Amino acid sequence: DAGVIQSPRHEVTEMGQEVTLRCKPISGHNSLFWYRQTMMRGLELLIYFNNNVPIDDSGMPEDRFSAKMPNASFSTLKIQPSEPRDSAVYFCASKTAGAPVDTQYFGPGTRLTVL
Amino acid sequence: AQKVTQAQTEISVVEKEDVTLDCVYETRDTTYYLFWYKQPPSGELVFLIRRNSFDEQNEISGRYSWNFQKSTSSFNFTITASQVVDSAVYFCALSEAPDSWGKFQFGAGTQVVVTP
Repeated sequence: DAGVIQSPRHEVTEMGQEVTLRCKPISGHNSLFWYRQTMMRGLELLIYFNNNVPIDDSGMPEDRFSAKMPNASFSTLKIQPSEPRDSAVYFCASKTAGAPVDTQYFGPGTRLTVL
Repeated sequence: AQKVTQAQTEISVVEKEDVTLDCVYETRDTTYYLFWYKQPPSGELVFLIRRNSFDEQNEISGRYSWNFQKSTSSFNFTITASQVVDSAVYFCALSEAPDSWGKFQFGAGTQVVVTP
C-alpha cells in the first residue's frame, strides 16, 4: 500500500511568495496532521483534522498559515506571504481515528527554503 | 513545559556496541500512549513502536528492545549490537487523553552515530 504522499519534496521560493504544500493520506485513514520540523524548535504540530474537519489549529504560527482538507484524500498547507523564518521541513502524517489511539504514519516531508 | 525529555542530544558508538536512549515523560493522565520513531539521514520518520500505559511488559524486536517503567515515567530504547544503518535521530513521543489522541508531544530527539 502507498504511504503518505507529499508534494513537492523540495520547494525554494522567495520571500513574499505564496507556497502550497500538498498531502495525500493513506487510504482509509481519517485523521491528518501537519507538522513542522526545525533545528531550533524540533517537531511541532501545526494542525490536525478528523474526518476532514480541523480539530486543533493552535499550533499554526500565524495568520499567514492556512490549511484545508477538502476531502478525505487531500490536504493543503498554504503560507502566504512566505518569510525566511518559515524555512523548515513540513511533514504530513495520517492515522485512523479509532480508539485505542492508532499510530501516525508520516510522509517523506517537504523541505521548504524561503530566500 | 516539556512533556517528553530526551536528555541525550547525541550518542556516538562503535559498531556492535549497545546503545540505550533515554525517554522521560510527564503526564497526569492514567491512559496515554508512548511511541518511538526513527529519522534516518534521508529524513523520513519511521514508526518503531507504540506502547499504552497499561502494558508495562518490555518488548523486544530483533536488535531493538524497549523498557517501560511507569514508576519512573520512562520509556527507554536499547539497540543491541549496533550497526551503521542504525545511525539516525530517534524521537520519543507521548499521546495523552482521548480527546487529545491526535496530539503527539515529541521529545527533542537523540542523534545516534554508529561508526564502523
